[in-house]
Amino acid sequence: DAGVIQSPRHEVTEMGQEVTLRCKPISGHNSLFWYRQTMMRGLELLIYFNNNVPIDDSGMPEDRFSAKMPNASFSTLKIQPSEPRDSAVYFCASSLGAGSGEKLFFGSGTQLSVL
Amino acid sequence: DAKTTQPTSMDCAEGRAANLPCNHSTISGNEYVYWYRQIHSQGPQYIIHGLKNNETNEMASLIITEDRKSSTLILPHATLRDTAVYYCIVPYNFNKFYFGSGTKLNVKP
Repeated sequence: DAGVIQSPRHEVTEMGQEVTLRCKPISGHNSLFWYRQTMMRGLELLIYFNNNVPIDDSGMPEDRFSAKMPNASFSTLKIQPSEPRDSAVYFCASSLGAGSGEKLFFGSGTQLSVL
Repeated sequence: DAKTTQPTSMDCAEGRAANLPCNHSTISGNEYVYWYRQIHSQGPQYIIHGLKNNETNEMASLIITEDRKSSTLILPHATLRDTAVYYCIVPYNFNKFYFGSGTKLNVKP
């Protein structure tokens, strides 16, 4: 398996623009997670889905952020409008299920720079 | 917030065993302990996890105390490529993984 695939690897945009980050989880995995990493705050859990349904979005910073999972093989994280403080590395991860003992597998991340 | 505490950093000589401690005093009976590492700016990489018994795989060994309030990750023969931040995690609700600050392991020649 190719693992969790994220695109793009790097994104540079200007303040106010819409940004869409994409994630393809490992085939057969039923849970998907979005994380954000900055030097100041470390790795933060933003939202997670189970069977394509958002279960917990309490980590989403504000209404400018939204995430969708239209099917089992694709998820997006959208920021509209983007701000410089959104600059970070965004990771997507997937796991087989939501039960105990399941392992998270991470993608390579998207480095987002908002100018 | 993370349910674990770890030292901020540790040094280890190349070829020696690296022993990374973790405290998880509030762990409940059915919660697993997981270890991940992050090399530079790559995505976190799964290392090992355990419930009660000690575990070993090709990467590391995990020693969990009998009361389960602490654990130690052991890299038996550390190499320079093991330099990374190591995270000890006890997930909330089984699958909400909160990463704390971790331990920065510096493997020195």
